[in-house]
Amino acid sequence: DQQVKQNSPSLSVQEGRISILNCDYTNSMFDYFLWYKKYPAEGPTFLISISSIKDKNEDGRFTVFLNKSAKHLSLHIVPSQPGDSAVYFCAANLGTGNQFYFGTGTSLTVIP
Amino acid sequence: DVKVTQSSRYLVKRTGEKVFLECVQDMDHENMFWYRQDPGLGLRLIYFSYDVKMKEKGDIPEGYSVSREKKERFSLILESASTNQTSMYLCASSSPWAGREQYFGPGTRLTVT
Repeated sequence: DQQVKQNSPSLSVQEGRISILNCDYTNSMFDYFLWYKKYPAEGPTFLISISSIKDKNEDGRFTVFLNKSAKHLSLHIVPSQPGDSAVYFCAANLGTGNQFYFGTGTSLTVIP
Repeated sequence: DVKVTQSSRYLVKRTGEKVFLECVQDMDHENMFWYRQDPGLGLRLIYFSYDVKMKEKGDIPEGYSVSREKKERFSLILESASTNQTSMYLCASSSPWAGREQYFGPGTRLTVT
């Protein structure tokens, strides 16, 4: 059973606009969440993370929001750039030394 | 610059062959992971290791085994390759003492015919 879900397989956004990628999870014990970006023929690269004790973390153009009551997190990219076109995976962790659970990914296309 | 390397980018094997996928990290990380990525299924964990000679099963360990004799090296073994093991295999490492983000290798595209 998928514990981390990304229900939108793809998303298209105009350059300069906001991209919002969503992720839902089922296990309330997850205490750390991460977003990864993946280009074709490359491994995923870490983008941004958030601890369950926070509800927002920001790093430049990237902001992650966590809504624990809804078991939902989102990644905002502002402004979106063509180089952001990639597959984005969210992941959740139950604590150090435990496995990570990944969503199925959302393919973002930023249109110039 | 942190680095995770995988022995092959592309591999073609025949059904029934024993296949070894090697992963090496140069970051002195304690934790290492093997995933497979399939369309529509995301990344699924096969095995992980949090120390030398230690291993834990992930979500889909059937048909696979692993070996971790040295801290920097984590090997995935397909005992008898089957066509349903055709996939992209990704190795990753992380340290519990330096954030929880994982560093991934470039992946091995394995085709079993």
